[in-house]
Amino acid sequence: DIQLTQSPSFLSASVGDRVTITCRASQGISSYLAWYQQKPGKAPKLLIYAASTLQSGVPSRFSGSGSGTEFTLTISSLQPEDFATYYCQHPGTFGPGTKVDIK
Amino acid sequence: QVQLQESGPGLVKPSQTLSLTCTVSGGSISSGSYYWSWIRQPAGKGLEWIGRIYTSGSTNYNPSLKSRVTISVDTSKNQFSLKLSSVTAADTAVYYCARNTAYCSGGSCYKAADYWGQGTLVTVSS
Repeated sequence: DIQLTQSPSFLSASVGDRVTITCRASQGISSYLAWYQQKPGKAPKLLIYAASTLQSGVPSRFSGSGSGTEFTLTISSLQPEDFATYYCQHPGTFGPGTKVDIK
Repeated sequence: QVQLQESGPGLVKPSQTLSLTCTVSGGSISSGSYYWSWIRQPAGKGLEWIGRIYTSGSTNYNPSLKSRVTISVDTSKNQFSLKLSSVTAADTAVYYCARNTAYCSGGSCYKAADYWGQGTLVTVSS
């Protein structure tokens, strides 16, 4: 079974900061990776699929890259509404999550 | 606009079977390149994929839960369901249903959960 790890598990950042979250797969998964954002008490929201394709309606400050075993989610300029937990997913499994908090 | 809504008991006794239904509105459960999944999240923890079903009836389950999980679909009611048997306190969680869409390009199809229900808390306690 494929395992996903994320780093960091927690990060503290300020509005306007550039933020990068890494997701690593235990074996190559090509570009079969999605990223989700979850706010407290809410269902996750799809941000990116196919590793780098932005879901319709998602702000362009979000971007994804990578293939094989290493992937990144980047927020180019952190906004107040971006403070949340972010999960990567390969069909059948989720990463453990990265919580982005206010510095 | 597609909407998903989970329903079912919020309290289940240990050793009993947890049963939830997800009702899909705003679109047919049978149309398009979709499959339908269940995900859960214990309080303060991450997301755990439970399993998925295609409208053909084909299923895949999380190996760690496979012996206890059954997912089924009722296309006439536009619903799909989850049954989890022999529950313990460790099964206490918010349970989400989701639609997964296949985004296909260049011969490859990338699947992601683009619509989610709001989630329903199920507590296992006597």
